[in-house]
Amino acid sequence: NAGVMQNPRHLVRRRGQEARLRCSPMKGHSHVYWYRQLPEEGLKFMVYLQKENIIDESGMPKERFSAEFPKEGPSILRIQQVVRGDSAAYFCASSPDRAASPLHFGNGTRLTVT
Amino acid sequence: KQEVTQIPAALSVPEGENLVLNCSFTDSAIYNLQWFRQDPGKGLTSLLLIQSSQREQTSGRLNASLDKSSGRSTLYIAASQPGDSATYLCAVRRDGSGNTGKLIFGQGTTLQVKP
Repeated sequence: NAGVMQNPRHLVRRRGQEARLRCSPMKGHSHVYWYRQLPEEGLKFMVYLQKENIIDESGMPKERFSAEFPKEGPSILRIQQVVRGDSAAYFCASSPDRAASPLHFGNGTRLTVT
Repeated sequence: KQEVTQIPAALSVPEGENLVLNCSFTDSAIYNLQWFRQDPGKGLTSLLLIQSSQREQTSGRLNASLDKSSGRSTLYIAASQPGDSATYLCAVRRDGSGNTGKLIFGQGTTLQVKP
């Protein structure tokens, strides 16, 4: 059973470009979480999605950031018009249910904005 | 608002020592607490998960305890090895209606075990 798969592992974008980060949850998991880890900081929750629905986006910046988890395919975290401050490691985690099971994390996508 | 603090921020010990990492949280209404390991440039590996009704969990040389009422957890590593060098993260999940599975993380303790 493959773990949580994130791609790309590393992404370099110039200021103003768009970044698309993909996350394929573990098989059988329909709950996906995105976290951001800024340099020298801890992981901060961004958004929680369940197939086709955003459940909690309280940690996501109001502008330029969006997330989706379509019925088919991976979850996508999209950052429009990236700025240097968006440089961070973005981690995805998945779970088979909402409350009880532990989260399983991917290896992250490291975004560098030049 | 839940806040999670880990002390110390960094720790360096000689190989073979037993050590304790500390985690404290401000809101005792947690569903569970999870300890993770993060190697440089890598993702998170779950080490131990303690449900709110439990006092401790053990896996090999690792033992995690939970005192929910005082808002504290400790991760005990016995007979440390250089391969244990990593950053250790503590995270709590809220209980009740606030339980959306969202984890609140501490800043981590970076451990170096010297051969």
